[in-house]
Amino acid sequence: DTGVSQDPRHKITKRGQNVTFRCDPISEHNRLYWYRQTLGQGPEFLTYFQNEAQLEKSRLLSDRFSAERPKGSFSTLEIQRTEQGDSAMYLCASSPLRGTGRPGGQYFGPGTRLLVL
Amino acid sequence: KNEVEQSPQNLTAQEGEFITINCSYSVGISALHWLQQHPGGGIVSLFMLSSGKKKHGRLIATINIQEKHSSLHITASHPRDSAVYICAVRLLGGSEKLVFGKGTKLTVNP
Repeated sequence: DTGVSQDPRHKITKRGQNVTFRCDPISEHNRLYWYRQTLGQGPEFLTYFQNEAQLEKSRLLSDRFSAERPKGSFSTLEIQRTEQGDSAMYLCASSPLRGTGRPGGQYFGPGTRLLVL
Repeated sequence: KNEVEQSPQNLTAQEGEFITINCSYSVGISALHWLQQHPGGGIVSLFMLSSGKKKHGRLIATINIQEKHSSLHITASHPRDSAVYICAVRLLGGSEKLVFGKGTKLTVNP
């Protein structure tokens, strides 16, 4: 297993366009998280899935943001009508269910860096 | 005031020095994480702890639940330790989200 992967690694788009990012978690991990990180700040929680169910959403996740994990494996994060303030690093992480005997903690992907012009 | 505060924000050390990074939080937590972020963005989880102390190689993490404080120590620091170190907490109450500090940028000079 190669860890959490994200695609694309970089995205430049014009304001008003839609963008979609993909995250492939570690295969046996049931939980998947999306975070956003702006320059000089720590990551901020966006949303979290357990299998295919979206269990938590941050108030940061406006109506323009939607996340899916249709089969409980990979996840997509879509931003509609992008704004310059959406420019950030979008991080995905996955973790196993607690109590499964596997090492805990969240395993992060390399991130997708979005620049909205 | 942020729920998770780290100090210092920036730290410069000479190779071989003992490093301490501090994290204070103001909320009830079920676990605290220390993470390392290198330039380019990749984040690596160093420790997850809910009590006491953990050690891995030259890294030591401690937590005092009563004082709501954690420290990350690096012994015999090396230039390859240069990175941003981030403290994050998982809140009590069943939430799975992590709340992050802003990070401490460590530079270790040879």
